[in-house]
Parts: sequence; C-alpha cells; structure tokens
Amino acid sequence: GNSVTQMEGPVTLSEEAFLTINCTYTATGYPSLFWYVQYPGEGLQLLLKATKADDKGSNKGFEATYRKETTSFHLEKGSVQVSDSAVYFCALSDRGTGNQFYFGTGTSLTVIP
Amino acid sequence: DTAVSQTPKYLVTQMGNDKSIKCEQNLGHDTMYWYKQDSKKFLKIMFSYNNKELIINETVPNRFSPKSPDKAHLNLHINSLELGDSAVYFCASSHSGKGETQYFGPGTRLLVL
Repeated sequence: GNSVTQMEGPVTLSEEAFLTINCTYTATGYPSLFWYVQYPGEGLQLLLKATKADDKGSNKGFEATYRKETTSFHLEKGSVQVSDSAVYFCALSDRGTGNQFYFGTGTSLTVIP
Repeated sequence: DTAVSQTPKYLVTQMGNDKSIKCEQNLGHDTMYWYKQDSKKFLKIMFSYNNKELIINETVPNRFSPKSPDKAHLNLHINSLELGDSAVYFCASSHSGKGETQYFGPGTRLLVL
C-alpha cells in the first residue's frame, strides 16, 4: 500500500540554522511527492512538489529531491527564519481514483530568534 | 479572489445536534475533498467527489454525509454530533489525475460540548 513516514517533531532551531525534515515513502507505483506547510490557524499550502525521480522541487529557499533509490523526499533549508515556524507535511499521490493523497503525520518546526 | 472557501470558520455546538459545513472553490477544479485534522495535526481523508460523483469514501461514521450539488461545491453534514467529532475540517480541491496539487480551504474549527 501507500504510506508516508516523516520525522517526528517538534523541532526547535535557532534563526539561520540548517533545517532537514526527513520523509520516506512506500508506494505501489510511481508517485508524485509534495511538501505542504501549515501556519498556525490556517489551511495547508503547497510548498513544493516533484513528479518523477531525481526531480528537485524548490520554493522560498526550501528544497527537496525525489530519490527513488532511497524512497525519500527530505525537506531542507539552508537558513531558517522565525517566519518559517509552522507544521510541515510530506505527502504522496499515487495511481488510483481521484488523486488521493497520503499524508505524513506532520512535523512542527519552531524557529527562535 | 478566494480559491477555496469554507463556512463557517468556527462552529461551537452541543452534543446531539446536527450541523453542516459548506465549501466552495472557484478554481475550476473537478475534484473536491474533505479532511479531518485532529488535535495532534494528523490529517485523515474522509471523502472525495469527482464531477459530483463520490469516489473516495473512507471509513467514517455514517453520521457524516457529503453532498455535492455541483462541481464547485461540496458540503458536509454531520448528524448527532459527538464529543469526538471536535476537530478542524478542511475542504480541498484539485484537477483529477495523479500528481495534481490539492488546494486547501482555511478550515472549520468544530467544537462539540
């Protein structure tokens, strides 16, 4: 079946620190992979995506590379800011009806000045 | 301008009551979803409609009934509310097909007393 496992939080970092949030997946086919961000009190927003192996998604200084060999899609940012404090969700969409997404459990990030 | 909107934003009600949450999207998408997010931020897909047809119907109590009057609207009706229904409910929409980004509404915060 399909599933996503992501690093448990919460994660607390100082401003300008390097961020990695690990995400691995299990899929029956060739999934598309996503990172969503949820700021406090808001809905989920797409942060970045990758649709095939070796693709790199990037946005707002965040990057993730689709690694088929390790079934991973780790999120990285070189220098975090206080405004990056949020919950981050890894997700996959695999072959099947209706573009069903499989979400990880979310990783809460707090960045302190 | 709003892409995916939900009403109401907050809903406080007594156990045993019946309530509805409405969702509308103006993105021209043909697929809409309902998710439940619990207090630990875990996201669970509940339902999905494609062109007004139910295509994902996860294991949820039959007190929950979705209704899609047209492609741009997906409403959620909940009968006989229970304490455990307290959560944030998110509506989302996308084009059909694997890998299409899902766009989320701002959420409806339901508190059952």
